[in-house]
Amino acid sequence: DAGITQSPRHKVTETGTPVTLRCHQTENHRYMYWYRQDPGHGLRLIHYSYGVKDTDKGEVSDGYSVSRSKTEDFLLTLESATSSQTSVYFCAISDLGPVAGGLYEQFFGPGTRLTVL
Amino acid sequence: AQSVTQLDSHVSVSEGTPVLLRCNYSSSYSPSLFWYVQHPNKGLQLLLKYTSAATLVKGINGFEAEFKKSETSFHLTKPSAHMSDAAEYFCVVSDYNQGGKLIFGQGTELSVKP
Repeated sequence: DAGITQSPRHKVTETGTPVTLRCHQTENHRYMYWYRQDPGHGLRLIHYSYGVKDTDKGEVSDGYSVSRSKTEDFLLTLESATSSQTSVYFCAISDLGPVAGGLYEQFFGPGTRLTVL
Repeated sequence: AQSVTQLDSHVSVSEGTPVLLRCNYSSSYSPSLFWYVQHPNKGLQLLLKYTSAATLVKGINGFEAEFKKSETSFHLTKPSAHMSDAAEYFCVVSDYNQGGKLIFGQGTELSVKP
């Protein structure tokens, strides 16, 4: 299995509080991604990173920010958590990006279950 | 824009019978396609991936998928279901233009009856 860990694995917080989720990899992969999983929606991309300090928005980025100060760590921050952000959050990594003919296989972490009350 | 549609939200089979999970895709260029599996309260595991080298792709645990460009389909099959196959399955396409981000179908929940 790819070396990806997420912390915390479970968190309960209150509306309006800041929350930071951490993704750590030991594979030295260039690309890192944050997804959220909600029933009936599959996984949806929040933000992704294509290198240290290089990030971009996904399809559901409102209310979230990210940072990547070193290759192995990708942080997801909810500045002021809302109940709509209750979800399971997955981090993923990939060694390949937009190269013609490349495969964009991603490896997923175990997930973080976040509940916002 | 790339997209995938999983045609069944839930499929139920008996142990030992064939499995068919259906997926159609939309892509303006040659896609990268994947099937992932998620067991209850677990992360996602790659089952198989389409490489364009062969239209019939074999994956882990006896699963395979056939890429049919004319039908824009990438259906997942297995000849004989096992109880341990009960899980949620996601058909996924990769978006070349957005950092290789994955676009997920809504998922198909597979139930296996004894």
